Amino acid sequence: RKEVEQDPGPFNVPEGATVAFNCTYSNSASQSFFWYRQDCRKEPKLLMSVYSSGNEDGRFTAQLNRASQYISLLIRDSKLSDSATYLCVVMNTGFQKLVFGTGTRLLVSP
Amino acid sequence: GAGVSQSPSNKVTEKGKDVELRCDPISGHTALYWYRQSLGQGLEFLIYFQGNSAPDKSGLPSDRFSAERTGGSVSTLTIQRTQQEDSAVYLCASSSFRGHDTEAFFGQGTRLTVV
Repeated sequence: RKEVEQDPGPFNVPEGATVAFNCTYSNSASQSFFWYRQDCRKEPKLLMSVYSSGNEDGRFTAQLNRASQYISLLIRDSKLSDSATYLCVVMNTGFQKLVFGTGTRLLVSP
Repeated sequence: GAGVSQSPSNKVTEKGKDVELRCDPISGHTALYWYRQSLGQGLEFLIYFQGNSAPDKSGLPSDRFSAERTGGSVSTLTIQRTQQEDSAVYLCASSSFRGHDTEAFFGQGTRLTVV
């Protein structure tokens, strides 16, 4: 079983839609969580950290469910520019190693 | 520059040849990762270096792949006897542990084509 699992998609949504991605992780010792974004033919970049209480950054909301070992990313009012691959990342603080999921592809259409 | 630097940016090699890919991480970053990404696919973990600890080599696909990190800084990924299935973008990332604020910074990658 992979340590971080994501639905690869693609998720095809129209502009203005709300879309949510989930990610599950298998290592209960994971303590830090993140979402990264990767544009086509570009390197991944940090989108946002995920805090235990949940956090919001503009149209993006991230949540963590430790009991069920999953994190989520909600994008409201989707823009064409949101089209990208979204990577779920977890870190076991003891090993200080970031583990990347393979990503969920989002396509926002006019 | 202050970012992660990878070289070469593109490499075309003949099947059976050896190649070396280089990564210069951000100064002071103790963690360094190598990934590869085939066209349209997700990141595939290869190897992880953390300070002076033994590297996590669990992602290396075969014994043709090896990596070194000298002096805790520059890293070289070596692929021996390249095969066509080795064609991919090889990404390097570095980070400095900051708990919830840990961030990995990626280089722009080396696009390897084996012909």
